[in-house]
Amino acid sequence: GENVEQHPSTLSVQEGDSAVIKCTYSDSASNYFPWYKQELGKRPQLIIDIRSNVGEKKDQRIAVTLNKTAKHFSLHITETQPEDSAVYFCAANSNYQLIWGAGTKLIIKP
Amino acid sequence: DVKVTQSSRYLVKRTGEKVFLECVQDMDHENMFWYRQDPGLGLRLIYFSYDVKMKEKGDIPEGYSVSREKKERFSLILESASTNQTSMYLCAIDSGSNTEAFFGQGTRLTVV
Repeated sequence: GENVEQHPSTLSVQEGDSAVIKCTYSDSASNYFPWYKQELGKRPQLIIDIRSNVGEKKDQRIAVTLNKTAKHFSLHITETQPEDSAVYFCAANSNYQLIWGAGTKLIIKP
Repeated sequence: DVKVTQSSRYLVKRTGEKVFLECVQDMDHENMFWYRQDPGLGLRLIYFSYDVKMKEKGDIPEGYSVSREKKERFSLILESASTNQTSMYLCAIDSGSNTEAFFGQGTRLTVV
């Protein structure tokens, strides 16, 4: 079946530095790529998404880039803050459902 | 404000028990999903439903069944609970695979 690979599984960065999480997908028909953030003890929530007709999308400190040729998309968080600590999931749509990455635990060091 | 409500936040059941996890939405979305979340494994799809009385197997349906008798309610059933079904269970809804998904608060099930 289709799959989404996400790296790294854990990422530790100094507060104020940038963080990058990368995902690759297998279904060439995928055209929707959301990112979800799950804080400890809470439900996952959408933070940003990108569709295949654009290569980059930005929302304040977060941005997502998409390379359809390479089937690769990334989440970029700049000027990281303590509240960015969470597990981040990428996903890609395939056959009317979302295929999820395994998640990245982002740790912000003070 | 979207509401996806799961019937229990924490549940402890004995091996062999029949377990019902309920999910109710107030958004009138067609699609409902049950996921299982385990550390390092992400979100794994158990079952999903596109309409009332309709169900489709996900990636890990073994040991589970589902019921959707009304549009707003999607139930996950563990016919005979086993210890390897100890996990966090998340219900989600959306109106299409290219739209935002909304999650319930999760049910942490422990089977002893």
